[in-house]
Amino acid sequence: DADVTQTPRNRITKTGKRIMLECSQTKGHDRMYWYRQDPGLGLRLIYYSFDVKDINKGEISDGYSVSRQAQAKFSLSLESAIPNQTALYFCATSDRIPGVYNEQFFGPGTRLTVL
Amino acid sequence: AQKVTQAQTEISVVEKEDVTLDCVYETRDTTYYLFWYKQPPSGELVFLIRRNSFDEQNEISGRYSWNFQKSTSSFNFTITASQVVDSAVYFCALSEIVNTDKLIFGTGTRLQVFP
Repeated sequence: DADVTQTPRNRITKTGKRIMLECSQTKGHDRMYWYRQDPGLGLRLIYYSFDVKDINKGEISDGYSVSRQAQAKFSLSLESAIPNQTALYFCATSDRIPGVYNEQFFGPGTRLTVL
Repeated sequence: AQKVTQAQTEISVVEKEDVTLDCVYETRDTTYYLFWYKQPPSGELVFLIRRNSFDEQNEISGRYSWNFQKSTSSFNFTITASQVVDSAVYFCALSEIVNTDKLIFGTGTRLQVFP
């Protein structure tokens, strides 16, 4: 089984709808991240969480919210989806050993289309 | 501020040609990590290599090689004798340990290898 899973893998929705993307991990990591990928722009950080009570905005958080329901679960919500939120969304997790790089492990991605 | 630049948006080669993907980075930190990821048409992110700022040795892994030069802030990736299966988008990324391990991605280079 995959260590980092994302549901759904593909979603088509309409403008104005609320949608939630879910991420689960079995790696026991404290840190979780949500990235968005747009063609020609690479991946950009939306939100990150260092533990259940520590949630932080990333580079492009406007229009998004997150919920860290448990150590293993980190959900991304679009309260009112708009077409320019059409993108590929990645969840990632990492450990938190101080002073060293903690590698990020990526989920398979969720392709979201907003019509 | 940290930044990763991949100036080559798209590269096309014929099978068996060698190809180099360029990556230039900016950071004020003395301790950082550099990465290359591959994204095949299926969309997932495949980790290729991690290099820390204290290790300037070049690395070779099969047909892949990486040239890290701190003097020019570059971390270039060469594929020798390219194959059709190498067709993908390749991302270079930077992480500063002191900056919460967040990954800063370049915009990616799309490599197309034709038979």
